[in-house]
Amino acid sequence: DIQMTQSPSTLSASVGDRVTITCRASQRISSWLAWYQQKPGKAPNLLIYKASTLESGVPSRFSGSGSGTEFTLTISSLQPDDFATYYCQQYNAYFPTFGQGTKVEIK
Amino acid sequence: EVQLVESGGGLVKPGGSLRLSCAASGFTFSSYSMNWVRQAPGKGLEWVSSINSSSSYMNYVDSVKGRFTISRDNAKNSLYLQMDSLRAEDTALYYCARSAEAGASLSHFDHWGQGTLVTVSS
Repeated sequence: DIQMTQSPSTLSASVGDRVTITCRASQRISSWLAWYQQKPGKAPNLLIYKASTLESGVPSRFSGSGSGTEFTLTISSLQPDDFATYYCQQYNAYFPTFGQGTKVEIK
Repeated sequence: EVQLVESGGGLVKPGGSLRLSCAASGFTFSSYSMNWVRQAPGKGLEWVSSINSSSSYMNYVDSVKGRFTISRDNAKNSLYLQMDSLRAEDTALYYCARSAEAGASLSHFDHWGQGTLVTVSS
């Protein structure tokens, strides 16, 4: 199976900050990567798929990039509603696997 | 509006069984692959199982193979997960999730239910 590793595990930031989360795959996955946001007590919400395609309705401050084994999720200007946990997920081969999550906290 | 509503969770003893259900509405259920994803308390997301639109292909994470069975009833717009020989490590919130790409064997998930809690404890 394909292992997904996110960094950092926790990130402390302030409103207005530019935030970047990294996701690395244990083998090449082309661009078959999605990003989700999850708030406490809620289901995950799809943000980005195919590494860089923004899901309908998701604010444009979210962007994704990368291919192969290294990917990034960027929030250009962190808003109060963005404090949450973010997960990457590969869907290239075998079965879907998720990263362990990155919690974005208020600094 | 796409809606996925899970039910069937609860407290069960180790070795016991549960059947989870997911009622789908707001889209052509028979056109999409469906999935179960779980989240243990305070932990991350783990894909559990997938089934394609015609039920001709099912897949499972290794830890549940031989114990869990995924199925669907397209006439009833429903997805199921039969969970047998349950273990403490199966304790989690179980989400039903739709594969975004109709017909794809692997996909991201564009719609999720709110989950149903399974607790395995004596």
